[in-house]
Order: sequence, then C-alpha cells, then structure tokens
Amino acid sequence: GAGVSQSPSNKVTEKGKDVELRCDPISGHTALYWYRQSLGQGLEFLIYFQGNSAPDKSGLPSDRFSAERTGGSVSTLTIQRTQQEDSAVYLCASRLKTLNTEAFFGQGTRLTVV
Amino acid sequence: AQTVTQSQPEMSVQEAETVTLSCTYDTSESNYYLFWYKQPPSRQMILVIRQEAYKQQNATENRFSVNFQKAAKSFSLKISDSQLGDTAMYFCAESQGAQKLVFGQGTRLTINP
Repeated sequence: GAGVSQSPSNKVTEKGKDVELRCDPISGHTALYWYRQSLGQGLEFLIYFQGNSAPDKSGLPSDRFSAERTGGSVSTLTIQRTQQEDSAVYLCASRLKTLNTEAFFGQGTRLTVV
Repeated sequence: AQTVTQSQPEMSVQEAETVTLSCTYDTSESNYYLFWYKQPPSRQMILVIRQEAYKQQNATENRFSVNFQKAAKSFSLKISDSQLGDTAMYFCAESQGAQKLVFGQGTRLTINP
C-alpha cells in the first residue's frame, strides 16, 4: 500500500484478555516503531525494529507487552492480560534507514479496555 | 539518554498572528536530526519541518520556520500568519545514531477565528 496501515482501527476488549495489534509498514522501509499515546498526551516510545538488528525494547512498560516483526515487514504488538491503564492509541511508524528521513505514521489503533 | 522537552502544554492565538512553540533536547551525539510533526484531530501525524544538526541555516517551509540553537539544544517552531487549519497537537522529535526517534510531550495549539 501507499502508506502505513494499522488494524484494527478500534478495539474494545475486556480486562484480562490478550490483544494483537497489527502494522503494515511502507514497502522498503527498514525501520519500524511502535508508540503509545494516552488521551491528549505525547508519544511514548515502546519498541523499535531496524532491519535484521535486535529490536530496541527499552520502552515496553511491562512483560505483558511484546512485539515481533516477521520477514522485516509486518509487525504485531501483543498485549497480554490487558489492564485498564493499557487503554490508549497505539501508533506505528515506518521509515527508510537513513537518519534524516521522515517517519510515516499509520492512523493508529484505539484500544479500550473495559 | 535522548530526551525531548516541550514546556508549553497548550497555546492559543488569534488567526493571522505569529506563534512560537518551544522545544529543547538532550543528546550526546554530534550528528542528529530534529523534526516537528503536527497531529490534527484526525490523529494522522504529518511532518511539518526537519532540521539537520550540522546545518547552521534554519529550515523554512512556507509559513513554518525553525530557530535552531545548537549550543543551547533548542529547536523552536515559528508559525507565521496562523490559520484555522493549523489547530493541532505539535510534537518535536529527535533522531540520532541508531535512528531511534524520540518525541516530546506535545503542545496543543488552538487558532481562534
């Protein structure tokens, strides 16, 4: 596709359930980022993938959060045993490898834990 | 560690006025890039302007310009002749070294008619 695609757009889940959020980056982009944005707040870095390098997981808030990127393309962010404080918009972005390039963002997944 | 700080949670100006949004950052790298992104109510993040750290000349894009003070690690965004469509959250971001992209907390800008 022409842009970064995230699915689903919205997800309502019950507390304690597991959820998977998907990100399809722009073809050819080697860098992929996940961010969390709570209502009206800034972007909290979660995890960063760059090519075949080990991901930078330094932003994951707990061991309930994990992410993988298969074949250097699609990424899935998994949240296990969801809690109400996990409610937020989860944004994915992709970028070419070079330092000065623009990061392109998807529309995000709004997760609501009830 | 990379940190980006935006000290103005909210700002409000009248249409056609000029407004400046502040951003400071902390980095130990000599080669890095700075960005301003806009997030309107649609939630879509849009690049407004970028600045290369090794360039002394301030970047400009139409009504948008930056004041890059490298020694002070300051990177403010000036919006001239503000328009209603400029109403959005604005995020400052820094990219360095391994290309981790770190954002500030954002400034909510409202342009009033």
